[in-house]
Amino acid sequence: NAGVTQTPKFQVLKTGQSMTLQCAQDMNHEYMSWYRQDPGMGLRLIHYSVGAGITDQGEVPNGYNVSRSTTEDFPLRLLSAAPSQTSVYFCASSLRDRGPGTEAFFGQGTRLTVV
Amino acid sequence: AQSVSQHNHHVILSEAASLELGCNYSYGGTVNLFWYVQYPGQHLQLLLKYFSGDPLVKGIKGFEAEFIKSKFSFNLRKPSVQWSDTAEYFCAVREYGNKLVFGAGTILRVKS
Repeated sequence: NAGVTQTPKFQVLKTGQSMTLQCAQDMNHEYMSWYRQDPGMGLRLIHYSVGAGITDQGEVPNGYNVSRSTTEDFPLRLLSAAPSQTSVYFCASSLRDRGPGTEAFFGQGTRLTVV
Repeated sequence: AQSVSQHNHHVILSEAASLELGCNYSYGGTVNLFWYVQYPGQHLQLLLKYFSGDPLVKGIKGFEAEFIKSKFSFNLRKPSVQWSDTAEYFCAVREYGNKLVFGAGTILRVKS
């Protein structure tokens, strides 16, 4: 029962480099999202998707790009890494329905450092 | 847009002490509320959730939370904490769609 799988777990980038954080879920969830976690600020929504082919911006989208070509995968791309993007990134998925079963499941996180 | 306030950023308790962590959200109507826990080095796990009905919600590991609509609050409680409860706790409210808005988190350290 894999749930939400994120890779890599740790990454160090140089300023200006680009990379993709991978996220995959095997629960057939329509809704997927990316958050960044910074000390004292909780989790802030970067981008989200309500289904394959549909994405939208969250609270802090600048410097990030996403796509959703399949239900299972929701990669997050850093276009040109900056030190301000040093953070822990979490991917989450949930059913789209708003009923009592709509719990979000989180991946293990990716700790990214930009030097 | 909703916002979530968690009143204490750091809490230190001795084992067997009672715990109450405050959480307030910014506006009413129908709300879906959650408490998540993040143990050191791990991902977020759901402790409990409120959608409707009984305002006193029981979750895993002996945690409970009370939804008070008039106060826009959803405080987390545990009668007797253990060393293993050391973690960061996040309150969250579901906004339109499936978006979650999180509070800043409360770091709980339980001394053995």
